[in-house]
Formats: sequence, structure tokens, C-alpha cells
Amino acid sequence: EAGVAQSPRYKIIEKRQSVAFWCNPISGHATLYWYQQILGQGPKLLIQFQNNGVVDDSQLPKDRFSAERLKGVDSTLKIQPAKLEDSAVYLCASTLRVTPGGQETQYFGPGTRLLVL
Amino acid sequence: KQEVTQIPAALSVPEGENLVLNCSFTDSAIYNLQWFRQDPGKGLTSLLLIQSSQREQTSGRLNASLDKSSGRSTLYIAASQPGDSATYLCAVKSADDYKLSFGAGTTVTVRA
Repeated sequence: EAGVAQSPRYKIIEKRQSVAFWCNPISGHATLYWYQQILGQGPKLLIQFQNNGVVDDSQLPKDRFSAERLKGVDSTLKIQPAKLEDSAVYLCASTLRVTPGGQETQYFGPGTRLLVL
Repeated sequence: KQEVTQIPAALSVPEGENLVLNCSFTDSAIYNLQWFRQDPGKGLTSLLLIQSSQREQTSGRLNASLDKSSGRSTLYIAASQPGDSATYLCAVKSADDYKLSFGAGTTVTVRA
């Protein structure tokens, strides 16, 4: 089966510009996650969707970050305006099950590497 | 708030040597613990998942142990190969809110 797809793979922008990332999860996976991984750190959850509804966005900086998952399939993550500290790898992951306490593993995409100058 | 620590941050060993990677966490109320592998420029790949009721999990040359009461897990990789060179991350799922908390990872280099 095809894995989680993300695009673009790399993006360089100047601070105060806008940027958008796209994720296509594994077919049939109901739950989708966006993570931010700063160099030298582990991934940090930004937002979790279940189908097209938001389950958790407590760590999403809502003044500049937004995300949507229309029709419960693809998702986009947007940053507007970008700051220097947003330089990181943005990872998308998906899981099949919808139960939050499930033992299922998350399948990760290759990530989008963002550099803000 | 769950804090996950991985020591050492980097490790270099000759081929054939056994690898021991450590992970510690501050809150023992966990649902499960996972070990992931991350290659440069790629996403994370799940290696092993240990449920909170389990003590260890094995897959091929990999063995992971879990001591929930002391907040520790260890990943053993037997007879290391250059292809094992990667960053290994530990992630803990909270039993309260089911969120994953990741460590910063241990970057392993296996020298041929």
C-alpha cells in the first residue's frame, strides 16, 4: 500500500512570508496528525484530526498556524506569517483506528523541511 | 507533563558490536511505549511497540524492555550492521490523554 505522502519536500522562505504544506494519508486512515520537529529534538504534536474534525490542537500556535482536513482525507498546514523559529521539519502521520486508546502505530510521511530566513 | 529523555545523544560503534539505547520518562501512567527509527530526510518508522502490561518485545535482532515503575525502556540491537546507522526515537503514549511524547533521539553510527 502507498505510504503517507507530503509535499513539498523542501521550502525556503523569508520571515513574514506565508507557506503551506500538504499531506495525503494512507487510504482509509481516519486519524491524521501534524508534528513539528525542530533540529535536535523529537517531534511535537501540533494538531490531530479524526476524519474532518479536530481532536486536539492545544499545541498549535493559532495566531499564525492553521490546518484543515476537508472531506476527511487530505490535509493542509499553513503558517502565516512565518518566523525564524518556525524552521523545522513538519511531519504528517496517520493511523487506521479511530479509538484514541488504540495500540495501533502511526505511519509517518517523509516530512517537509522548512527554512525561514 | 511527560518528559522523555534519551541518553546518549549519539553513539558510534564498530560493526558487530551490540547496541544499547536508553529511554527514560517521568510519568509512569503510560498506555504504551514505541521505538522508532528515523533516517536522514525521511519520516519515522515504527520498530517495536510495548504495551504497558508487557515487559519486553522482540523483532529479529531488536529487543526492547520496559520497566514502567522506574520509568525506563531499553532498546537492544544485536550484532550491529552499517545499515543500522540512523536516529532512534522513543515515544510514550500517555494513559490520560493518549498523546505521544517523543524523546530527542539517539543518533547511531555503525562503522564498517
